[in-house]
Amino acid sequence: KNEVEQSPQNLTAQEGEFITINCSYSVGISALHWLQQHPGGGIVSLFMLSSGKKKHGRLIATINIQEKHSSLHITASHPRDSAVYICAAATFSGGGADGLTFGKGTHLIIQP
Amino acid sequence: NAGVTQTPKFRVLKTGQSMTLLCAQDMNHEYMYWYRQDPGMGLRLIHYSVGEGTTAKGEVPDGYNVSRLKKQNFLLGLESAAPSQTSVYFCASSPRDRANYGYTFGSGTRLTVV
Repeated sequence: KNEVEQSPQNLTAQEGEFITINCSYSVGISALHWLQQHPGGGIVSLFMLSSGKKKHGRLIATINIQEKHSSLHITASHPRDSAVYICAAATFSGGGADGLTFGKGTHLIIQP
Repeated sequence: NAGVTQTPKFRVLKTGQSMTLLCAQDMNHEYMYWYRQDPGMGLRLIHYSVGEGTTAKGEVPDGYNVSRLKKQNFLLGLESAAPSQTSVYFCASSPRDRANYGYTFGSGTRLTVV
């Protein structure tokens, strides 16, 4: 079974700072998902990536397959970025029914 | 463009009561999933379905039952609620080709069992 570790668990930063959230996994994967969950809200898929880098607005996700590591970066952070960020490793051959192993999440607070 | 809709959004149950959570998706996805989210833990799969009329157990199925009579709906039932089932429940769906198209999640149901 894949093990997914996220760091940090909690992160408080000032508006405008560059944010990095890390995710490491133990078994080779088909894809890595980054999800966002606002307080009391639903889960939104931000990125699905299997190699390289993807960018959407101020969010950037990278993955290093050899090192089994992914990062989520937020540039020019804003209070509306405050949320829990979850990474999930997808393995579609021999894995669980949904193929997903979730990290415990990183609770991000951006202060004005 | 509703995506995945969960009802109800909040519910308080007394121990021993029963209830059904409804998940509906309008994307014609084949696969549907029920998860629970507890503090300090990653999402855990309760049950899943790979098509209409089929369901299977996930990682934490005890105390829950599911049904998928229609492709667009996936119901999660608690026959006799227990305080340990206090959690946030998420439904998700995906096409069969989830490796390329990923998953869509609902907004969650916050359940408290007292």
